[in-house]
Amino acid sequence: QLVLTQPPSASASLGASVNLTCTLSSGHSHNVIAWHQQSPEKGPRYLMRLNSDGSHNNGDGIPDRFSGSSSGAERYLTISSLQSEDEADYYCQTWGTGIVVFGGGTKLTVL
Amino acid sequence: QVHLVQSGAEVKKPGASVKISCKASGYTFTTYSIHWVRQAPGQTLEWMGWINAGNGNTKYAQKFKGRVAIIRDTSANTVYMELSSLISEDTAVYYCARPGRFNVLFDYWGQGTLVTVSS
Repeated sequence: QLVLTQPPSASASLGASVNLTCTLSSGHSHNVIAWHQQSPEKGPRYLMRLNSDGSHNNGDGIPDRFSGSSSGAERYLTISSLQSEDEADYYCQTWGTGIVVFGGGTKLTVL
Repeated sequence: QVHLVQSGAEVKKPGASVKISCKASGYTFTTYSIHWVRQAPGQTLEWMGWINAGNGNTKYAQKFKGRVAIIRDTSANTVYMELSSLISEDTAVYYCARPGRFNVLFDYWGQGTLVTVSS
């Protein structure tokens, strides 16, 4: 069964960097995923496509301080030089045969 | 640029149906699919189904089969999602989303439509 697992919360200080994690279920470690950002009271916003080899492509207008990496079944979103507007929920997303799956989301607090 | 513009908020009674529209612009409508995703208050995103805007083929998540219908109007570049037999747990924000040509990663989202189910 295709499942994406994310820790429910994370926090980091203004100006620092943070890594958010998304773990693919067994047998799906090669899946390509997307990261999406959802600011409070807003809709999701596509951040990037992240491949199993760690290569990634940011969406239109997404700054370079958002980057991705991969290790086995783990997919990471790194946000550097944290800004107050980065405080949001972050979701990973992938697809399988006939289904689309989202992780449970990580709420990022910028201290 | 690509835009997905959804219809406005709805309030429905239990047992009723709701139909939401998603008007696409900025690309060739028939060359991409459109998916529907919902988000209940405080919950994660939940995929509902999709339509191939070119040929009209659909696929629905098992949870919603028999209760959801997605259709498209190619003359209006618009996709519609109808959910029937509404219950209070269907109260959510409903989003349309467009993936890439050769993957199912959503790179464009509609602004969302709040559906409230209440007696």
